[in-house]
Amino acid sequence: QQQVKQSPQSLIVQKGGISIINCAYENTAFDYFPWYQQFPGKGPALLIAIRPDVSEKKEGRFTISFNKSAKQFSLHIMDSQPGDSATYFCAATLNTGTASKLTFGTGTRLQVTL
Amino acid sequence: EPEVTQTPSHQVTQMGQEVILRCVPISNHLYFYWYRQILGQKVEFLVSFYNNEISEKSEIFDDQFSVERPDGSNFTLKIRSTKLEDSAMYFCASSSRGLTNYGYTFGSGTRLTVV
Repeated sequence: QQQVKQSPQSLIVQKGGISIINCAYENTAFDYFPWYQQFPGKGPALLIAIRPDVSEKKEGRFTISFNKSAKQFSLHIMDSQPGDSATYFCAATLNTGTASKLTFGTGTRLQVTL
Repeated sequence: EPEVTQTPSHQVTQMGQEVILRCVPISNHLYFYWYRQILGQKVEFLVSFYNNEISEKSEIFDDQFSVERPDGSNFTLKIRSTKLEDSAMYFCASSSRGLTNYGYTFGSGTRLTVV
């Protein structure tokens, strides 16, 4: 029940295209859904996040769409750039206020080609 | 921007040896975490630490693992007798509150290779 499923495993998008990564969760008690970006040899870095009472959040070229009834959320990267090439992880958490943990998806390796 | 610092960046150890991975969390953070990422797989939670004690630990965090905050700045993960399957990237994280939406910051990781 704690799992977060992520797809696709890898994605190749042309420069200027739209990258879409999907995630699904099981635990309806999760109350925060961040996306992390990870470059090789680096730790995950927070990219954008959403709460379940919001259906969409946009920050620059990055948008999260959230469907609470379907227990799914997705990351859209508009006008994808070669610098966006990285591994993207969705995550979910239940913020208890006592050192809450993140449950990560399996990751999507995005390659943006010229 | 404040960073979580991890040392060493890469450690190679023989099976059965003890290793200590070190982390310097962001200075005003009170909550500390270790996560593990086996090559090509997802990031997995190991343990959280607050007020000098473990708040939560995963099934992975068995008796071979321990954590400690030996002074006011360092946070360490010790693996008592390493196994081949402990080979992974280990990430330390810290946060100002026990909430993942408050400055939850990861370090760059320590790549542990057990041979």
